[in-house]
Amino acid sequence: SAVISQKPSRDICQRGTSLTIQCQVDSQVTMMFWYRQQPGQSLTLIATANQGSEATYESGFVIDKFPISRPNLTFSTLTVSNMSPEDSSIYLCSVDSVDTGELFFGEGSRLTVL
Amino acid sequence: SQQGEEDPQALSIQEGENATMNCSYKTSINNLQWYRQNSGRGLVHLILIRSNEREKHSGRLRVTLDTSKKSSSLLITASRAADTASYFCATLQRSNYKLTFGKGTLLTVNP
Repeated sequence: SAVISQKPSRDICQRGTSLTIQCQVDSQVTMMFWYRQQPGQSLTLIATANQGSEATYESGFVIDKFPISRPNLTFSTLTVSNMSPEDSSIYLCSVDSVDTGELFFGEGSRLTVL
Repeated sequence: SQQGEEDPQALSIQEGENATMNCSYKTSINNLQWYRQNSGRGLVHLILIRSNEREKHSGRLRVTLDTSKKSSSLLITASRAADTASYFCATLQRSNYKLTFGKGTLLTVNP
């Protein structure tokens, strides 16, 4: 298993600003995943962050809007840029078990954009 | 599009009763997993069932998988108020090894 710390846990932001979410894992992992959960909805994968290479984005998500950093094997950041109220969501960081594909999640960052 | 679809969307029961949630999916899978989320927080992995397994137990949880019908069910026996949460199924697809989540079932267990 893995213990994942995310911060901030919640924030209220103004339209047009950007926010960076940090994710720290207690062990070295190859891939880190960033998910978005819009209000009352399921989880949607934003991108996969690999150390030493560009993140891989899913359809509908672009690097300009959601730049990701992965400076080492235990840390990643997701920035939500030029925010609008539609970006109000919970953003979740996760890592997987190489053997089973089971995911371990951080507590999430609840973002509200006014 | 969502790979997994849970039903019901919401379920309300009394403490001590059993709760059954269902999940349907569309494509071939490597495994199917169930997660729990308390009040918009992080998800917690509950149980995983592989595509060649039909049933699995973990404490008060029982999961079944029918690959011919592309469906799974999660049974929580002797429910407790603390089981109140949203439950999501997620499928690990064979084609791309990605985990895709369903829309979830909101379970409320009344004391």
